[in-house]
Amino acid sequence: AQSVTQPDIHITVSEGASLELRCNYSYGATPYLFWYVQSPGQGLQLLLKYFSGDTLVQGIKGFEAEFKRSQSSFNLRKPSVHWSDAAEYFCAVGAFYGGATNKLIFGTGTLLAVQP
Amino acid sequence: DTAVSQTPKYLVTQMGNDKSIKCEQNLGHDTMYWYKQDSKKFLKIMFSYNNKELIINETVPNRFSPKSPDKAHLNLHINSLELGDSAVYFCASSHQSPGTGSGANVLTFGAGSRLTVL
Repeated sequence: AQSVTQPDIHITVSEGASLELRCNYSYGATPYLFWYVQSPGQGLQLLLKYFSGDTLVQGIKGFEAEFKRSQSSFNLRKPSVHWSDAAEYFCAVGAFYGGATNKLIFGTGTLLAVQP
Repeated sequence: DTAVSQTPKYLVTQMGNDKSIKCEQNLGHDTMYWYKQDSKKFLKIMFSYNNKELIINETVPNRFSPKSPDKAHLNLHINSLELGDSAVYFCASSHQSPGTGSGANVLTFGAGSRLTVL
């Protein structure tokens, strides 16, 4: 069965420091992979996605993620964190269901806190 | 203009009541979804409709009944509310396309509707 694991429930980094959020997936075929961010009281905003091609994908707000098939990972990175990046981050794998219809299977999320 | 809008944003009600949450998207998408986010922030799909046809029903109690009057709307009606139904419910939409189109299969989420059952 498809699944997504985010090993870190809570991470705290200092403003200006680099960030890496881990994501591992289980999926039988080539996965569609996503990172979403949820600010407090808000909906989910897409940061970036991987469908095929270049395994290093760039997203919004200076985020990037690298797909590593051999490690079944899709880790999210940012070279310098800003206080406004404090939020909950969700990794997801897109699973096809009954044909073309897609559904997202989410990880349990990583809560990012940013220290001044 | 809000792409995916849900109403109400907050809903507080008593056990046993019946309530509805409405969702509308103006993105021209053909597929809509309901996701439930529990108190531990875990997100799980409940339903998906494609062009008004139910595609996904993820073992949700039949107290939950989605209705899609047209492909821009997907409402969620909940009968006989229970304490465990307290959660944030997210509506989402996407344009379905086989294969890997750059814009296809990407979900756009609404801001969520927080349901509290007392």
